[in-house]
Amino acid sequence: EAGVAQSPRYKIIEKRQSVAFWCNPISGHATLYWYQQILGQGPKLLIQFQNNGVVDDSQLPKDRFSAERLKGVDSTLKIQPAKLEDSAVYLCASSVGAGGPYNEQFFGPGTRLTVL
Amino acid sequence: KNEVEQSPQNLTAQEGEFITINCSYSVGISALHWLQQHPGGGIVSLFMLSSGKKKHGRLIATINIQEKHSSLHITASHPRDSAVYICAPTNTGNQFYFGTGTSLTVIP
Repeated sequence: EAGVAQSPRYKIIEKRQSVAFWCNPISGHATLYWYQQILGQGPKLLIQFQNNGVVDDSQLPKDRFSAERLKGVDSTLKIQPAKLEDSAVYLCASSVGAGGPYNEQFFGPGTRLTVL
Repeated sequence: KNEVEQSPQNLTAQEGEFITINCSYSVGISALHWLQQHPGGGIVSLFMLSSGKKKHGRLIATINIQEKHSSLHITASHPRDSAVYICAPTNTGNQFYFGTGTSLTVIP
């Protein structure tokens, strides 16, 4: 089965510019996650969707970050405007169930963002 | 204080050595995941366990819920095992707590 797809793989922008990332989860997976991983740190959950509804966005900086999952399949994460501290790898993951401690998450390859 | 502490942070081993990575956590959990992250960012789930021990090939994961501790063991280590290993306990509210990872390098 195809894995979680993300694009682009790399992105370099200047501060104050906007950027968008795309994620296509594994077919049939109800739950989709976006994580931010700063170099040397573990992933930090930004937002979790179940189908097209938001389950948890408590750590999403809503003044500059937004995400949507139209039709409960693909998702986009946007940063507008970007700051230097947004430089990180943005990981998308999906799980088959409703999310929860026993659900295995399948991760995409990530998008490495560099903000200059 | 971090909710999840992993040790060691960095580990270099000779090929064939037995490796242990430790994870201690301070939160109440329902399950704990061990993840492997290769250079370039891809993460693979190795284990999900809520009690006892699981084995997959040369990898063994154990957890002691009462002591809030888990270990990941690699037997007969190989250079292809070189990666970052991340411990991620999860609670009943579906919150994942990620450790900062243990960077393992296995030298031929």
